[in-house]
Amino acid sequence: DAGVIQSPRHEVTEMGQEVTLRCKPISGHNSLFWYRQTMMRGLELLIYFNNNVPIDDSGMPEDRFSAKMPNASFSTLKIQPSEPRDSAVYFCASSRSAREVTYNEQFFGPGTRLTVL
Amino acid sequence: AQKVTQAQTEISVVEKEDVTLDCVYETRDTTYYLFWYKQPPSGELVFLIRRNSFDEQNEISGRYSWNFQKSTSSFNFTITASQVVDSAVYFCALSGNNAGNMLTFGGGTRLMVKP
Repeated sequence: DAGVIQSPRHEVTEMGQEVTLRCKPISGHNSLFWYRQTMMRGLELLIYFNNNVPIDDSGMPEDRFSAKMPNASFSTLKIQPSEPRDSAVYFCASSRSAREVTYNEQFFGPGTRLTVL
Repeated sequence: AQKVTQAQTEISVVEKEDVTLDCVYETRDTTYYLFWYKQPPSGELVFLIRRNSFDEQNEISGRYSWNFQKSTSSFNFTITASQVVDSAVYFCALSGNNAGNMLTFGGGTRLMVKP
């Protein structure tokens, strides 16, 4: 079975440009998570969807960041406008959940390394 | 609030040595799960194990073993006879019943195994 798929794997852009990161979760998984990893702050949860609905977006840094999940097999994380401090590795993860709460392990995609010049 | 502490930021060992990675957690939840993930130099995060708060049995998988002690809020990870391929950053994580599906990660421990 395919794991979590993320694209692009690498993105280099200039400050002020719009960046869109894409994620396809594992088929059958109904929870999806976006994380950001930096040396300074480690792994940070940005937003979490359950059954395509955003459940917790308290980790989204600011209004420049937005995330959507139009269907069960696709999600996007958009940064507009991008800034150099957004440079990081962005991970998407998915898990299978039942009812409101589950503690199933999350499976991570390979990440997108974003560099904003 | 939940918190995971991995006090060892970096450990260096020589191949074939045993090494233990420490993880201490804080939670007010009565039901919770603990996890370990491995992040090799290639960057992906690989799930290693999940343990629930009601199961304090130690687990062994090949050269890997985990010691869960509720009394000390610890979930330590031991690699026996370490190999160079074990070199990675290892993350401990926690999910509680009041946190929904969300994981709280520790800061990670970088393990370097030298030949």
